[in-house]
Amino acid sequence: DIVMTQSPLSLPVTPGEPASISCRSSQSLLDSNGYNWLSWYLQKPGQSPQLLIFLGSNRASGVPDRFSGSGSGTDFTLKISRVEAEDVGVYYCMQGQQIPLTFGQGTKVEIK
Amino acid sequence: QVQLQQSGPRLVKPSQTLSLTCAISGDSVSSNDAAWTWIRQSPSRGLECLGRTYYRSNWYSDYAASVKSRITINADTSKNQFFLQLNSVTPEDTAVYYCARQASRALDIWGQGAMVTVSS
Repeated sequence: DIVMTQSPLSLPVTPGEPASISCRSSQSLLDSNGYNWLSWYLQKPGQSPQLLIFLGSNRASGVPDRFSGSGSGTDFTLKISRVEAEDVGVYYCMQGQQIPLTFGQGTKVEIK
Repeated sequence: QVQLQQSGPRLVKPSQTLSLTCAISGDSVSSNDAAWTWIRQSPSRGLECLGRTYYRSNWYSDYAASVKSRITINADTSKNQFFLQLNSVTPEDTAVYYCARQASRALDIWGQGAMVTVSS
């Protein structure tokens, strides 16, 4: 199975400031067509995970443009340009390159 | 819009079968563009994808190695639902179970989740 490793695991943030989460995969997620099969999710307290980013850098419908994804191959980053209070929760990366789909351990984002 | 509604028992006895249903609205379980997936979440395992079923002229299913010997995921096209059956459960199977739609190899729609406890 592809192992997904996130850092940091905990991220205290100040509203209005930027934040960044890293995700590394044990195998390349880049396919021969140039697609990176990496997605990002936010699980708010008491809720199901929700899709933020797919194919490495594409925002899902309704996701604010303060969220952006970048990276290729084995190294990816999720950035929040200006954190808002509603962004607290646990962020996960997930690979879709190989079955079974596998997730990172999660990064808990909380307000300082 | 697409919605997934989960149902099923929340308490299962050890050695028995865990059964959950996911009802789809706004999409078809027979869609050629989607796969219908079960995921569980526990403090010890984190988010774990258990398997999926999908239709591509025929029905296919694939499962995680950790549960492959005791899991079945299938669908009922007449009811537009898909199902999870996990046999011979133990307390380690206690978790929140989610159904989700996989499209473009991302999980874009999730059910509300169901906390299932395995206990006598």
